[in-house]
Amino acid sequence: EVQLVESGGGLVKPGGSLRLSCAASGFTFSSYSMNWVRQAPGKGLEWVSSISSSSSYIYYADSVKGRFTISRDNAKNSLYLQMNSLRAEDTAVYYCARKSHFDPWGQGTLVTVSS
Amino acid sequence: DIQMTQSPSSLSASVGDRVTITCQASQDISNYLNWYQQKPGKAPKLLIYDASNLETGVPSRFSGSGSGTDFTFTISSLQPEDIATYYCQQYDNLRRTFGQGTKLEIK
Repeated sequence: EVQLVESGGGLVKPGGSLRLSCAASGFTFSSYSMNWVRQAPGKGLEWVSSISSSSSYIYYADSVKGRFTISRDNAKNSLYLQMNSLRAEDTAVYYCARKSHFDPWGQGTLVTVSS
Repeated sequence: DIQMTQSPSSLSASVGDRVTITCQASQDISNYLNWYQQKPGKAPKLLIYDASNLETGVPSRFSGSGSGTDFTFTISSLQPEDIATYYCQQYDNLRRTFGQGTKLEIK
């Protein structure tokens, strides 16, 4: 079964940092591009970042560029999102999703930025 | 960035009704469009990819059409379990974008 499991969310103060992880199983992780998408409470979906299968191509939404870093470790079947200089508006559930068709999605991990 | 304008933002319909949601791209995206369903408290689920292809296991009452800038998502006969929010998403541009979502409710 194809599965994605996010972890690493929590409560952090403005200006703080957090590293999210997404553990993949049930498919050849190294063959697929991966993505991070977030959803603020009561709001719609916002694409955050994408990374190609070999990490050659990386893209960010303007809202996180320069503060967030996406990476992957194909040997560990894992995707990461390093989030620095966090702001209140980064509060959201963060999902990882596979390939350009965003399928499947993980269950999400909640990041709360508050003092 | 490519803007995706989805309408309506909310919709109330009766069981058995035909429901249509539209999505308009700010520039030509060919058929690089997906549709997702999100139920409350759950992760989104892919329903339609490449504008008109039904994901495996998705009921045939769901369908999609369109190309270029104008796209349509249809539920041919609304069922109670279809209550959810639906999103379109383009992947023509490597900076992906979603529509604002359509919240579907039962009348």
